[in-house]
Parts: sequence; C-alpha cells; structure tokens
Amino acid sequence: NAGVTQTPKFRILKIGQSMTLQCAQDMNHNYMYWYRQDPGMGLKLIYYSVGAGITDKGEVPNGYNVSRSTTEDFPLRLELAAPSQTSVYFCASSYAGGAFGANVLTFGAGSRLTVL
Amino acid sequence: ELKVEQNPLFLSMQEGKNYTIYCNYSTTSDRLYWYRQDPGKSLESLFVLLSNGAVKQEGRLMASLDTKARLSTLHITAAVHDLSATYFCAVDDSNYQLIWGAGTKLIIKP
Repeated sequence: NAGVTQTPKFRILKIGQSMTLQCAQDMNHNYMYWYRQDPGMGLKLIYYSVGAGITDKGEVPNGYNVSRSTTEDFPLRLELAAPSQTSVYFCASSYAGGAFGANVLTFGAGSRLTVL
Repeated sequence: ELKVEQNPLFLSMQEGKNYTIYCNYSTTSDRLYWYRQDPGKSLESLFVLLSNGAVKQEGRLMASLDTKARLSTLHITAAVHDLSATYFCAVDDSNYQLIWGAGTKLIIKP
C-alpha cells in the first residue's frame, strides 16, 4: 500500500520553463489536493478535486493547472515557471464524508521545486 | 470566512516540562485535526477530534476540543527531544476543505 506518491522529489527549473508534478494515490480516496509550503510557513491550497473530472481553485491557483481524469491521479502543471513558484509542493488525498464525517488527509512526501 | 489561529508560533522548551499549544478558530465547526511535520518531511495525522469535549491521547501528547469556545489545545507532558517538530491544527469548513493554522514550531532542548 503506497499511499500518496509524488514525483519528482526535487526539480530545478529555469524561468519560463514548464513542468508537471505527478501525484497518485492507491487508497480509492475521492478528494485530492495540491498545497504549496514556502520556507517556515504554513500550507496554501492551490487546487483540489472532489472526484474524477471535477477540479476547483484554492487560495493560490495562478500559474498552475490541474486535471483529474482518474480517481487515482491528480497532476499539477506549472506553466511559465517564475521564482515565486519556488516552494515545496505537497499532494494529499482523503475520503471526505467517511466515518463521522472525518476528512483526514494523507500527504505525499513532497516535491521541492526551485526556479532560477 | 473561517480563520484558524495557532499560538504560540514558536516554542522552545526544556525536556521534562509541560506546555500547551492553542488553536482558535472563527466559526462553528465540530471537526478539528492536528498534524505533525518533522523538519524537511511531510505532514502526518496526529489526532482527529470530531465532537465537543473530544479528547485524544497518544503518549505524551493530548488533544482536546471545545466547540463552544472554538478552541482546541495540544498538551505536551514531560516533553522529550523526539517531540521536536512543527504542529499544525486544521478545521473542516462546510465543504470538506481544511483551513490550516500557521503551525507551531516546537523545539525541545535536552
């Protein structure tokens, strides 16, 4: 049982380049999330999905895109990378509406992105 | 707008001491979560509190929830170095979105 798997773990981009962060979960969770965490700071929600084919913006969606064609996968696309996107990105998943309405997130290991 | 405030944001303490981290939130919710993040690592779930008066304990950590006061506490008893980490609280809004506190960085000195 792998949980939430993120790739790559580390990546250095040049300004203006694009890339995709991959996220996959094998727990049959309905909700998936992308967060970013800047150094010494808390989590900011970028995008989330409540099920395959459904995505919605979070707090800081500009410069990013997502898709959710399957329950398992939720890739995050960075277009035209900027230094402000240097951060650690966490993918998470949950089964919202489970026992007693709990929404416990399982996080991936994180992807550290540097834009130079 | 639901807001979650943690305090203190930084705490340095000696091993063997007791301390409490506070998590206040601004609107009604009866689902609150505590997570732990070790330096350079991901977040892992510590406690799930789903009703007023809920209390959960694991080892030297105990979490409680008072929904009427909109307050959760994370109490550390006889701290040990291994508990050094950043602790986040998060509250469910009505759409299964978690609103996160800023985190409390806890350093426990031997």
